Amino acid sequence: ELKVEQNPLFLSMQEGKNYTIYCNYSTTSDRLYWYRQDPGKSLESLFVLLSNGAVKQEGRLMASLDTKARLSTLHITAAVHDLSATYFCAAVQGGSEKLVFGKGTKLTVNP
Amino acid sequence: NAGVTQTPKFQVLKTGQSMTLQCAQDMNHEYMSWYRQDPGMGLRLIHYSVGAGITDQGEVPNGYNVSRSTTEDFPLRLLSAAPSQTSVYFCASSYSDRVSSGYTFGSGTRLTVV
Repeated sequence: ELKVEQNPLFLSMQEGKNYTIYCNYSTTSDRLYWYRQDPGKSLESLFVLLSNGAVKQEGRLMASLDTKARLSTLHITAAVHDLSATYFCAAVQGGSEKLVFGKGTKLTVNP
Repeated sequence: NAGVTQTPKFQVLKTGQSMTLQCAQDMNHEYMSWYRQDPGMGLRLIHYSVGAGITDQGEVPNGYNVSRSTTEDFPLRLLSAAPSQTSVYFCASSYSDRVSSGYTFGSGTRLTVV
């Protein structure tokens, strides 16, 4: 059974700083997703990573995937307050369409 | 395009009552799924469907039924509501194409069972 673990679960950082959120998954998966959720809102798709070594960037966020290590990272560059949200990674269980989520990382960016 | 539409947005049920949460998408997505979100638990998969007439269980299926008679609709039925089913429920859909932009989520239904 696929398990997805994120760390840290809570992250408080200052504006302008860099940080990385880690997402480990326990069994083979060929798709890894990153989502953002604002309080009381739905989930917004950020990145879809499909292959080993995949790297995608959008603004101050960059996601990467290492399928051999079963690890994805979401790197935040020069954080701004607008990035404050909860970030989820999710992986698809191999051979199925079951999408398994991590517990989320609540990011707070302080001035 | 409306995307993924969930109704109702809020619902209060008494223990033992039944109800159906509606989910409809207009993107011709093959895959549809239901999740519940509880504080500190992330999202957990309840049921999912890979196409009309095909459904399967997720991580937490007990107490819920689904059917997929059309591509567009994927209703979630609570058979006999319990306080443990108090949660926020999200419906999501996706293309089967593996290079798609991922799953599109509805706005959620906040359910309270008293």
